[in-house]
Amino acid sequence: EAQVTQNPRYLITVTGKKLTVTCSQNMNHEYMSWYRQDPGLGLRQIYYSMNVEVTDKGDVPEGYKVSRKEKRNFPLILESPSPNQTSLYFCASRNRGNTEAFFGQGTRLTVV
Amino acid sequence: AQKITQTQPGMFVQEKEAVTLDCTYDTSDQSYGLFWYKQPSSGEMIFLIYQGSYDEQNATEGRYSLNFQKARKSANLVISASQLGDSAMYFCAMRGGTGANNLFFGTGTRLTVIP
Repeated sequence: EAQVTQNPRYLITVTGKKLTVTCSQNMNHEYMSWYRQDPGLGLRQIYYSMNVEVTDKGDVPEGYKVSRKEKRNFPLILESPSPNQTSLYFCASRNRGNTEAFFGQGTRLTVV
Repeated sequence: AQKITQTQPGMFVQEKEAVTLDCTYDTSDQSYGLFWYKQPSSGEMIFLIYQGSYDEQNATEGRYSLNFQKARKSANLVISASQLGDSAMYFCAMRGGTGANNLFFGTGTRLTVIP
């Protein structure tokens, strides 16, 4: 089954404790992205990657890191999480061209 | 800069009736794509329909159709014969320009289908 898989689905952590949210896709897509969803703001792009070892900032990259060492994986790293990073996070992947993005199930992160 | 505006925070529709969810956009790109996604209470994002800026016909996918009015920069979603399972949050999104990588989302419309 074609899918984007994120882990974990839910995470509660404390301020400053490094964490990684994993994302994996099995569709051989070149493009992958991370978004955060906040009430009243819709989804905003954090980082994206056009291919292995090619990443770039989206609209809200502060406080986040990513890596793309393999085509299928695109982890999101929070080196020192803060409460304002409490949000619902989505990983997405797509093919080239103006095609739809496939989203993971979402990761609900709470930083206390 | 790209911008998507959804002016209806919430909508109600009777079961089996049709409903239109509004979306307007702003872009200076000539080539762009417009998308609608559904987010049920379980949280996942489900792709519904796509319209390319050069597509002459309005897109349709089953009970979903996109009323694309390029001159007005609007891309309204029409859901026909609403079902209880259509109750969800709906997001309009746009990706602009060749090689563009960002999907710009509106703030969403929460649709509630009344039995």
